[in-house]
Amino acid sequence: DTEVTQTPKHLVMGMTNKKSLKCEQHMGHRAMYWYKQKAKKPPELMFVYSYEKLSINESVPSRFSPECPNSSLLNLHLHALQPEDSALYLCASSLILLGGTGSPLHFGNGTRLTVT
Amino acid sequence: QKEVEQDPGPLSVPEGAIVSLNCTYSNSAFQYFMWYRQYSRKGPELLMYTYSSGNKEDGRFTAQVDKSSKYISLFIRDSQPSDSATYLCAMSEDDYGQNFVFGPGTRLSVLP
Repeated sequence: DTEVTQTPKHLVMGMTNKKSLKCEQHMGHRAMYWYKQKAKKPPELMFVYSYEKLSINESVPSRFSPECPNSSLLNLHLHALQPEDSALYLCASSLILLGGTGSPLHFGNGTRLTVT
Repeated sequence: QKEVEQDPGPLSVPEGAIVSLNCTYSNSAFQYFMWYRQYSRKGPELLMYTYSSGNKEDGRFTAQVDKSSKYISLFIRDSQPSDSATYLCAMSEDDYGQNFVFGPGTRLSVLP
């Protein structure tokens, strides 16, 4: 089991639905990330939150809307998705160490999303 | 040229073999290097994390970084069928840790 928990594990949604993906970590990490991963490809960065503030948005379409309610929680709200948005959505977290030795990403097991 | 390149595989080896997985990169500012293992339908799992050049060993795994050649390796000794997975290298420039760049991944099969 990972220390980053994602729910649900699987999600099937129609193009007109609204749904949310949830992520939780209790490692005291202050940076949280959403990645999208297509089959046989590496993860692609979507969003980064640092200290609950959005710090990076990699030109993601507005049908994906992130939210960071507190330092342990990260949500991804989905609306009017397209079939090509079907993928594994990964949440990750890391420490923020200024002037230190750096901090790797810790991933959850993802939500497998299918858009019909 | 991609920023991080990795042998695409798939790589098949017999059980007990020594496996060498490799990544090359073009950005000389990378200082932090990671190896992740990803099983099918799971998230990437951190295996090794190294800073700058040198070697790091953890059980059957050894990570090597050669910054002068812009080349990193992961060695797996006494490989097991449970090591069958996709291996991703990742790297970043700064200790703020937000700008990770991933290699495309190498798929490894260890045959019993």
